[in-house]
Amino acid sequence: EDKVVQSPLSLVVHEGDTVTLNCSYEVTNFRSLLWYKQEKKAPTFLFMLTSSGIEKKSGRLSSILDKKELFSILNITATQTGDSAVYLCAVERGVNYGGATNKLIFGTGTLLAVQP
Amino acid sequence: DTEVTQTPKHLVMGMTNKKSLKCEQHMGHRAMYWYKQKAKKPPELMFVYSYEKLSINESVPSRFSPECPNSSLLNLHLHALQPEDSALYLCASSFTQGSTEAFFGQGTRLTVV
Repeated sequence: EDKVVQSPLSLVVHEGDTVTLNCSYEVTNFRSLLWYKQEKKAPTFLFMLTSSGIEKKSGRLSSILDKKELFSILNITATQTGDSAVYLCAVERGVNYGGATNKLIFGTGTLLAVQP
Repeated sequence: DTEVTQTPKHLVMGMTNKKSLKCEQHMGHRAMYWYKQKAKKPPELMFVYSYEKLSINESVPSRFSPECPNSSLLNLHLHALQPEDSALYLCASSFTQGSTEAFFGQGTRLTVV
């Protein structure tokens, strides 16, 4: 059975701290791994990772994928209160092998609270 | 325009009602999705449309009926729902179902009474 597991489930930090969120997966026919930030309603896209060892960066956020060990991390440096949200990891798997039909399998999310 | 627009934002319906959720995007995306999200849980895929054809149905009960009338619109028709169907329903779209990020709408908060 496909699994996407995130840790920790929740985290409370102070502004300025650096946090690392983890996502491990066991998914057949892996295509990519995506990170989303969900504040109130719509998840907003952060990163898509398809290759091992290549770090993606956007401002204070960065992420990397290890396809051998089947995990990804999301780093946030110099956290701000606006970073408070649920961070979702999702793995895209091919449904029809060799075809173009994919589906996203979401992890349970990490609830991050950044205190002033 | 990089938005996925969902209407209504909130919906309260009785178990005998028929209602529809609507989703619209004008980004030229040819894959559109319905997800269901219960409180404090991750989104769960319900349906995927690819080039206006249903390509994935995650064994969703028939009281949920999707429809994709054209490449910009996706509907979810609701009939005879149960209270446990109360959830946030999210629509998403992407260029194709290849490895490309999906853009999500703000969702419809559905309450079944």
